[in-house]
Amino acid sequence: AQKITQTQPGMFVQEKEAVTLDCTYDTSDPSYGLFWYKQPSSGEMIFLIYQGSYDQQNATEGRYSLNFQKARKSANLVISASQLGDSAMYFCAMREALYNQGGKLIFGQGTELSVKP
Amino acid sequence: DVKVTQSSRYLVKRTGEKVFLECVQDMDHENMFWYRQDPGLGLRLIYFSYDVKMKEKGDIPEGYSVSREKKERFSLILESASTNQTSMYLCASSSPPPGLASYEQYFGPGTRLTVT
Repeated sequence: AQKITQTQPGMFVQEKEAVTLDCTYDTSDPSYGLFWYKQPSSGEMIFLIYQGSYDQQNATEGRYSLNFQKARKSANLVISASQLGDSAMYFCAMREALYNQGGKLIFGQGTELSVKP
Repeated sequence: DVKVTQSSRYLVKRTGEKVFLECVQDMDHENMFWYRQDPGLGLRLIYFSYDVKMKEKGDIPEGYSVSREKKERFSLILESASTNQTSMYLCASSSPPPGLASYEQYFGPGTRLTVT
């Protein structure tokens, strides 16, 4: 079963508008962490934001925020005021705490975001 | 700044060749990982290592092996390259602080391997 699901293969957004990238996850581990990474066309993976399963508040980092809905098992990334430089592939990932030697991350399929001028 | 480097950005090999992909990190991280990235499939874990000379299979280890003789270096080996191993290969490293889950993995720039 897919543990991390990103249902939007590609999305378009107008510059300066906000956009939400969807991510749902599946785990029975009560302790886990959720991550979003950005991958520009150059290929490097850039860490954006983290949300812990016990965190009471949604994580925010500058223009990035994570809409964490624990009961629905969703961790959507919200990018406010989109910029042309936000055009990239975005990956959602999860780390489960139990029986996870090495702290492996499980990644979703990715969403390709294109920002239009 | 953490730096993870990979030996090549682009590589072209022939079917049946033995291929070595090298990854080096400079932050004394315990954990190192090899992923392959394919369109529509995201990143899939091939192998990882949590200590020198220790290795564990990931989700798709078939056709690959790894070596970690020194803490800073983690090598991915394709024993006999095949066309279905044409992909982007990403190396990552991390160092988990005790009791925390929030630490990120740091990635190298990737190697785009083409097997013809």
